[in-house]
Amino acid sequence: DAKTTQPPSMDCAEGRAANLPCNHSTISGNEYVYWYRQIHSQGPQYIIHGLKNNETNEMASLIITEDRKSSTLILPHATLRDTAVYYCIVRVALLISNFGNEKLTFGTGTRLTIIP
Amino acid sequence: DGGITQSPKYLFRKEGQNVTLSCEQNLNHDAMYWYRQDPGQGLRLIYYSQIVNDFQKGDIAEGYSVSREKKESFPLTVTSAQKNPTAFYLCASRGDGYNEQFFGPGTRLTVL
Repeated sequence: DAKTTQPPSMDCAEGRAANLPCNHSTISGNEYVYWYRQIHSQGPQYIIHGLKNNETNEMASLIITEDRKSSTLILPHATLRDTAVYYCIVRVALLISNFGNEKLTFGTGTRLTIIP
Repeated sequence: DGGITQSPKYLFRKEGQNVTLSCEQNLNHDAMYWYRQDPGQGLRLIYYSQIVNDFQKGDIAEGYSVSREKKESFPLTVTSAQKNPTAFYLCASRGDGYNEQFFGPGTRLTVL
């Protein structure tokens, strides 16, 4: 799986949009970008994933550059409960034949702090 | 409510003792996983199971054992052979045809 680079920490004011960047310059054509977050002492929570088109769900939006070498996770109206470590992961989509490719490689992520 | 449960949330054991961590899911997921997380670090895969009665070693399986006798359950045993067992242990599951994994709340194991 391609390696990702994220800033170690970011602050964002409550109510503003939080924009979390991720670089994945060695991404392959069949690799997706996944975002998870982990609130302190809890299990990681899936947020969103995408291949090349921008994606939006009830939690966030994912913007992937045209060359796919970087992406940005957007939390449109950050709340205090969004304070967490955010992980950007790049991996191939699982197929029936990918039995040996189950691993999610979590780096150290970005620690996002929402400021009241 | 559907989800993944892990028990207990905090666990203490004496050095040299085996201990089993519970993971149960009622999501009807085939695939289940065990990860270990150390302070300030990402997750490392210990074992995973694609289907009942089958499981595979992950990156750091030494000193751990698992079983998958039922679809809903994937217990992890931390044996005395694990040299540094104090860590946060996370269980996850994945539905067939889906790529995202869903995680339990975790068990924090401390060896005294």
